[in-house]
Amino acid sequence: QKEVEQNSGPLSVPEGAIASLNCTYSDRGSQSFFWYRQYSGKSPELIMFIYSNGDKEDGRFTAQLNKASQYVSLLIRDSQPSDSATYLCAVNQGGKLIFGQGTELSVKP
Amino acid sequence: ETGVTQTPRHLVMGMTNKKSLKCEQHLGHNAMYWYKQSAKKPLELMFVYSLEERVENNSVPSRFSPECPNSSHLFLHLHTLQPEDSALYLCASSQVRGANTGELFFGEGSRLTVL
Repeated sequence: QKEVEQNSGPLSVPEGAIASLNCTYSDRGSQSFFWYRQYSGKSPELIMFIYSNGDKEDGRFTAQLNKASQYVSLLIRDSQPSDSATYLCAVNQGGKLIFGQGTELSVKP
Repeated sequence: ETGVTQTPRHLVMGMTNKKSLKCEQHLGHNAMYWYKQSAKKPLELMFVYSLEERVENNSVPSRFSPECPNSSHLFLHLHTLQPEDSALYLCASSQVRGANTGELFFGEGSRLTVL
């Protein structure tokens, strides 16, 4: 079983729609969770982090965490073509940041 | 200056060559990392240095040799590599290393091709 699992996509949504990106993790003891965005040919950059169960909102982005289900998600409201990128889920396991393979998001004008 | 800089950005080497990748961070961070990114695979953690001490070596082959002379500089020495080592090598830094550490600042990467 992969430690951090994401659907590789591509996920295609129309401009203005909500994009929903999902991630599951295997280590039940994980305490901190992160979403990175990676544009093609660029390095990853942190966009959200969440530590507690529930929702955390930052502008058009909402991170959701359900530790019982070992599930973390990222919602992007009012998606824009500039949001087209690969989104990497990362989980801190024992001080090591473990990444999923990423979900490619394409927002069509 | 950008936060984390890596050189060279592109490197082509033969299997018998010896080369080095360099990383420098200007953020005053205490932890530095090497990650390997291959197509369609998750980022793989290779090495972690905290306060210039290697604290993690993720079962990386000995043909990769890291060096951290101070908290601002990190090197990855390469020798007798294999074609499957071709990948993007990313350096990152963080303020500290711990259970909630997840805010990594990445360099732009060094694209390595082994012929």
